Amino acid sequence: QVQLVQSGAEVKRPGASVKVSCKASGYTFTTYGITWVRQAPGQGLEWVGRITPHSVNTNSAQKLQGRVTLTTDTSTSTAYMELRSLRSDDTAVYYCARSSPLDYWGQGTLVTVSS
Amino acid sequence: AIQMTQSPSSLSASVGDRVTITCRASQYIRNDLAWYQQKPGKAPKLLIYAASSLQSGVPSRFSGSGSGTDFTLTISSLQPEDFATYYCLQDYNYPSTFGQGTKLEIK
Repeated sequence: QVQLVQSGAEVKRPGASVKVSCKASGYTFTTYGITWVRQAPGQGLEWVGRITPHSVNTNSAQKLQGRVTLTTDTSTSTAYMELRSLRSDDTAVYYCARSSPLDYWGQGTLVTVSS
Repeated sequence: AIQMTQSPSSLSASVGDRVTITCRASQYIRNDLAWYQQKPGKAPKLLIYAASSLQSGVPSRFSGSGSGTDFTLTISSLQPEDFATYYCLQDYNYPSTFGQGTKLEIK
């Protein structure tokens, strides 16, 4: 069965970086892209970005451009989202999902940015 | 970026009611719209894709319609497990954008 398993919760200081992983199984990783979505506490869903299977194309939300990098490792069927220069308003649960459409989702990774 | 305006932001209804949620795009998005359901503490779940295609395993009481700029999600007869928050998402072009969400509560 299709599964996306994400790395564990992170606590970071403002200005630091975080890298969240998303390991896929149960399907051919190179056939689908991966989309990242985040949700701040008590807020709605926010699209972060997406990457095609061989990292040929990436797109990210305009407000995060320059701070977010999406990559994949096809040898381990793992996608990564790195967010730099963290701010308190980056505190959120970050989800990966197989795309498109977003039919399978990871369990979410809570990233807390706090001094 | 394309703006998605979802309404209402909250809705109170009873089991058995018919409910409609709408999403309006700020520009043409063909039928590149999906609907997701999210329950507290859980990842979202895909209900409808390509505006009107029912995802496998989703009950037939859920339906979607629309194209261009105006879209609707309809639940024909609410069940207790349907009380959740619903989001639309356009992926006609990037960046993709979600609607603000509709919280469906029990009356």
